[in-house]
Amino acid sequence: EAQVTQNPRYLITVTGKKLTVTCSQNMNHEYMSWYRQDPGLGLRQIYYSMNVEVTDKGDVPEGYKVSRKEKRNFPLILESPSPNQTSLYFCASRSHREEVVNAFFGQGTRLTVV
Amino acid sequence: AQSVTQPDIHITVSEGASLELRCNYSYGATPYLFWYVQSPGQGLQLLLKYFSGDTLVQGIKGFEAEFKRSQSSFNLRKPSVHWSDAAEYFCAVGGAGAQKLVFGQGTRLTINP
Repeated sequence: EAQVTQNPRYLITVTGKKLTVTCSQNMNHEYMSWYRQDPGLGLRQIYYSMNVEVTDKGDVPEGYKVSRKEKRNFPLILESPSPNQTSLYFCASRSHREEVVNAFFGQGTRLTVV
Repeated sequence: AQSVTQPDIHITVSEGASLELRCNYSYGATPYLFWYVQSPGQGLQLLLKYFSGDTLVQGIKGFEAEFKRSQSSFNLRKPSVHWSDAAEYFCAVGGAGAQKLVFGQGTRLTINP
């Protein structure tokens, strides 16, 4: 089954404690991205990757890092989480072979930073 | 600038009633439009999409949407809602080769029995 898998689904952490949210896709997609969802703001892109070792900032990259060492994985790293990063996070992937950005989304990771 | 506006933050309809969720967009190139649904505790599911051709698009779960270029709109409709349609709905716009989807703020739909 084609899917994008995020882990964990739920996470509560303390300010300043480094964390990683993993994202994996099994569709051999070149393009992956991370979004955060906040009430009244919809989804906003954090980072994206066009392929292995190619990443770039989205609209709200501050406080986040990403890496793309393998095609299937695109982890989101919070080196020093702060309460304003409490949010619902979505990973998405799509193929370059598609003409447009028809993205597949993961189930989401709800992060709370206290 | 690229943007999507969903004017209604929250809509309540009775089960069996018709539904229309509004979406207006601003996009510098040819827009490709999407509606996603997010059920409580779930991820985003694609309801339907418009790329080109017929401006009335059919999707899953009995939803349809109409692209109106002159009004920069892509409203979502359903003739008769079911209690299971209660969810949050997001309109999004992208383009060929675009690096991201631009999402609206979302509309939360509540169904009265």
